[in-house]
Amino acid sequence: KAGVTQTPRYLIKTRGQQVTLSCSPISGHRSVSWYQQTPGQGLQFLFEYFSETQRNKGNFPGRFSGRQFSNSRSEMNVSTLELGDSALYLCASSFSTGNEKLFFGSGTQLSVL
Amino acid sequence: GENVEQHPSTLSVQEGDSAVIKCTYSDSASNYFPWYKQELGKRPQLIIDIRSNVGEKKDQRIAVTLNKTAKHFSLHITETQPEDSAVYFCAASDTPLVFGKGTRLSVIA
Repeated sequence: KAGVTQTPRYLIKTRGQQVTLSCSPISGHRSVSWYQQTPGQGLQFLFEYFSETQRNKGNFPGRFSGRQFSNSRSEMNVSTLELGDSALYLCASSFSTGNEKLFFGSGTQLSVL
Repeated sequence: GENVEQHPSTLSVQEGDSAVIKCTYSDSASNYFPWYKQELGKRPQLIIDIRSNVGEKKDQRIAVTLNKTAKHFSLHITETQPEDSAVYFCAASDTPLVFGKGTRLSVIA
């Protein structure tokens, strides 16, 4: 079974630009969660999608948004990039929502210059 | 919402010794407590998890204990090996999963 796939692996953007990251979950998994990882801050929850609906949202500004498609693939978008958005963005999939084992992708390393 | 505190932030042990990492959580409704290991440059991977109806769970050299009354849970690694060196994250969930800030474990040969 293929694992969670995230593209692109690396991104370099400048302040003010916008970016879209993609995540393909494990086949059969319907829930996709997104986390931001920065040194010293651990993994901070961004949002969770299940069956194309946002189920939970973390404490991030409205510049961070996401969506999920009917095939469970998910995208997250960050608009008006700031230097502080530089981070590793991880997505994780699970079979269902709520207290399920998460399987992480390798992440997208975003650098904002 | 849930808040998870993890200690220590760094831990160095001699090969063969035991390592203990402790976490506390704030939301008494949380009922799922996984631990993830992240090696350098790799994705986090689940190593063990425990649910609130169980007090302890063991898998070879790894064990997790849960004290629901005190709202804390711990990871115990016995007979540590160099390949145990990684960052370990605890998490607690009543949905979504909230992670601690991580513990960097170094096992010195």
